[in-house]
Amino acid sequence: AQKVTQAQTEISVVEKEDVTLDCVYETRDTTYYLFWYKQPPSGELVFLIRRNSFDEQNEISGRYSWNFQKSTSSFNFTITASQVVDSAVYFCALIPLNRDDKIIFGKGTRLHILP
Amino acid sequence: EPEVTQTPSHQVTQMGQEVILRCVPISNHLYFYWYRQILGQKVEFLVSFYNNEISEKSEIFDDQFSVERPDGSNFTLKIRSTKLEDSAMYFCASRGQRQETQYFGPGTRLLVL
Repeated sequence: AQKVTQAQTEISVVEKEDVTLDCVYETRDTTYYLFWYKQPPSGELVFLIRRNSFDEQNEISGRYSWNFQKSTSSFNFTITASQVVDSAVYFCALIPLNRDDKIIFGKGTRLHILP
Repeated sequence: EPEVTQTPSHQVTQMGQEVILRCVPISNHLYFYWYRQILGQKVEFLVSFYNNEISEKSEIFDDQFSVERPDGSNFTLKIRSTKLEDSAMYFCASRGQRQETQYFGPGTRLLVL
């Protein structure tokens, strides 16, 4: 089965705190891509990062960092020094490349950054 | 920076009416997709389209739905006879030949009354 689980439905933190959004995935395929998308209150889906299954290097982009651990099938996302503008729903997603390229989304984590 | 555009941004329709949602993918992209998101729920795949035909469709994409690329730039989703449960945000996405990332449009919020 192909599945993405985001166990945290909703998180609230105070501005400037660090926050980690969890993502666990399931796939039988050996080749796949993992993604994070952001959905701000305006509703659009904004691409944040893509990681392929062969590349387990962690990545940092400004205040954002991603920790990919194949051994635990996890692809967690950390926001450092959070800001109010980070308030959004964040979706983790999977494309199992050996089959097709439809995106399988998790249910999302709603992040509230409180001023 | 090129982007996917969608029109209209909002549409309200009566149950049983036909609606057409329009998308203009990024110009050099070859793969096109429709997804939908019922309010408060996750984003779900509807259909993928390549080389002027459907590549894959989900269980949601029944006979009431159709897609078309009527010209070189537009990609449309038609719902023939809308139902209340079709109310959702509909996202179009596209990607290039060698890209794995699908870029999404801003969505069309459809409300069926």
